[in-house]
Amino acid sequence: GENVEQHPSTLSVQEGDSAVIKCTYSDSASNYFPWYKQELGKRPQLIIDIRSNVGEKKDQRIAVTLNKTAKHFSLHITETQPEDSAVYFCAAIHSGGYQKVTFGTGTKLQVIP
Amino acid sequence: NAGVTQTPKFQVLKTGQSMTLQCAQDMNHNSMYWYRQDPGMGLRLIYYSASEGTTDKGEVPNGYNVSRLNKREFSLRLESAAPSQTSVYFCASSGEGGTEAFFGQGTRLTVV
Repeated sequence: GENVEQHPSTLSVQEGDSAVIKCTYSDSASNYFPWYKQELGKRPQLIIDIRSNVGEKKDQRIAVTLNKTAKHFSLHITETQPEDSAVYFCAAIHSGGYQKVTFGTGTKLQVIP
Repeated sequence: NAGVTQTPKFQVLKTGQSMTLQCAQDMNHNSMYWYRQDPGMGLRLIYYSASEGTTDKGEVPNGYNVSRLNKREFSLRLESAAPSQTSVYFCASSGEGGTEAFFGQGTRLTVV
């Protein structure tokens, strides 16, 4: 089955700096890669996703890149703000047939004002 | 549009008691999941269901059973609760073709 590794497990940045979280996956058939943000005491919610036919996707201060050859994808947050502080999860999904969502272990991001 | 609804939100059990966590989604999704999240930890898959009538074990199925009652509902049962099952439980669902997974609000379970 799919195995997703996520690094780092914790990340502290100064407000205004950039943050990068990296994930690798094992199943070359995976073709959908979402990122979720979980604020303290709340449920995970999708913030951005990318499909295997795209190398990069941006949404304001958030971007995701995908390298299918190397089987890794990354989340980039620019101009970080205190409200970006949360736990971030990546996931890799093979959408053919039925999809089983395999999550990375999470990255706790702290943005220091 | 309710999305994914989980009940209860909080529960305290004594060791050995049983209970069922309920989950329902109104998005016509085929896939449903139960995860547990321990403090400071990630989401660990307990069971999932690819469609009505099918269930499969995830990473940590021991001590749990599930029922996919129909397309909308996916319940998680603890037959004999243990302190190691103290956790936050999330139900989630997702649709066809690689789509967003939607989560319920979570159930905070404490076993004493």
